[in-house]
Amino acid sequence: EVQLVESGGGLVQPGGSLRLSCAASGFTFSTYNMNWVRQAPGKGLDWVSSISSSSSTIYYADSVKGRFTISRDNAKNSLYLQMNSLRAEDTAVYYCARDDYHGWFFDLWGRGTLVTVSS
Amino acid sequence: QSVLTQPPSASGTPGQRVTISCSGTRSNIGSNYVYWYQQLPGTAPKRLIYGNNQRPSGVPDRFSGSKSGTSASLAISGLRSEDEAEYYCAAWDDSLSGRVFGGGTKLTVL
Repeated sequence: EVQLVESGGGLVQPGGSLRLSCAASGFTFSTYNMNWVRQAPGKGLDWVSSISSSSSTIYYADSVKGRFTISRDNAKNSLYLQMNSLRAEDTAVYYCARDDYHGWFFDLWGRGTLVTVSS
Repeated sequence: QSVLTQPPSASGTPGQRVTISCSGTRSNIGSNYVYWYQQLPGTAPKRLIYGNNQRPSGVPDRFSGSKSGTSASLAISGLRSEDEAEYYCAAWDDSLSGRVFGGGTKLTVL
């Protein structure tokens, strides 16, 4: 089955760190660009970061630049998001999303993992 | 404040046609493709439209997308109760060098 499964969410204090993972299965992970998109409680979708299939091209939203790092391990079919210096406004469900084979945005989504930043 | 502007709500009765607008600028919609996503309550988003007006396989032809200048629209014809959801537009933004979303439109089927 083609799917993405996120993990690693939880409760963290302001200023703390967390590493999210996304396990891909059912497709050739190494040939697809991947992304993280988040959604604060009761709010809209917010793009966080994108990484190309070979990790050669990476983009970040201004709101997370310098604090978050996206990476991938094609041998392990996994996508990661290292989140440092977390703030209350980073509280959200974090979705892993794939671009399709032609590069069209977000054709496959995971179910998300909740990150709560609170003291 | 989202980069792309959508009306917060829309509504229609079963069988009706409704449209949802998405307004941007030359750096995003004006020069790049537009995408539309549907998010049912409590679920992950689903892609409805890519490349301004292309439907992925499995998406009913009741859903259609269009773009003109710096604005785009999603049209839903033959409205059904299961269409009640949040709808988001998205695009690449050349000035921001990133992807941007609209704030979302909650569609209510009366």
